[in-house]
Amino acid sequence: DTAVSQTPKYLVTQMGNDKSIKCEQNLGHDTMYWYKQDSKKFLKIMFSYNNKELIINETVPNRFSPKSPDKAHLNLHINSLELGDSAVYFCASSRLTGISTGELFFGEGSRLTVL
Amino acid sequence: SQQGEEDPQALSIQEGENATMNCSYKTSINNLQWYRQNSGRGLVHLILIRSNEREKHSGRLRVTLDTSKKSSSLLITASRAADTASYFCATDAGGTSYGKLTFGQGTILTVHP
Repeated sequence: DTAVSQTPKYLVTQMGNDKSIKCEQNLGHDTMYWYKQDSKKFLKIMFSYNNKELIINETVPNRFSPKSPDKAHLNLHINSLELGDSAVYFCASSRLTGISTGELFFGEGSRLTVL
Repeated sequence: SQQGEEDPQALSIQEGENATMNCSYKTSINNLQWYRQNSGRGLVHLILIRSNEREKHSGRLRVTLDTSKKSSSLLITASRAADTASYFCATDAGGTSYGKLTFGQGTILTVHP
């Protein structure tokens, strides 16, 4: 069983389109994340949800809208896609201990290419 | 600015040799973690070291942490071709950054058979 699964794995689309990436975890974790990895492999957090509540919202354009229907799912919707949105998007989950962030479990990534 | 800076950016060694990667960071931390990423795959957690720990081992991995110098190192002993991957350090600063890991830019390790 895959612990953190995200779909689709590859996404090729035109500028201006809207697209969604879905993520599900079966680890029973209460916290889920979206990270963006650029072409230089730099990994930056975008959003974090704890028990369906948004707890981290980095400086991300409001074209990006996360949605957590329950604590096992965290989806990412992107409106009006731009060339600079091309990247690999990783979903991750973890337990928060109350004082520190434990290990993150990552999905395999969704490679988004905007043409 | 980026929290973690890794050094070297790329490392090429022969199978059986040891590989050492370094990570420096800027703010105080709760813990520091190391991850591996194989090409085209997600990141996999390797080891977590807390701010009150100085050294930790896991199999062929040895991690050190020097909070006075704000630096950490990852040593992989007796490397194998299968260790070829990118290695990232990530820091948990806690406080208002609670729940957020900040990643370094990574070290690309190539182990030649």
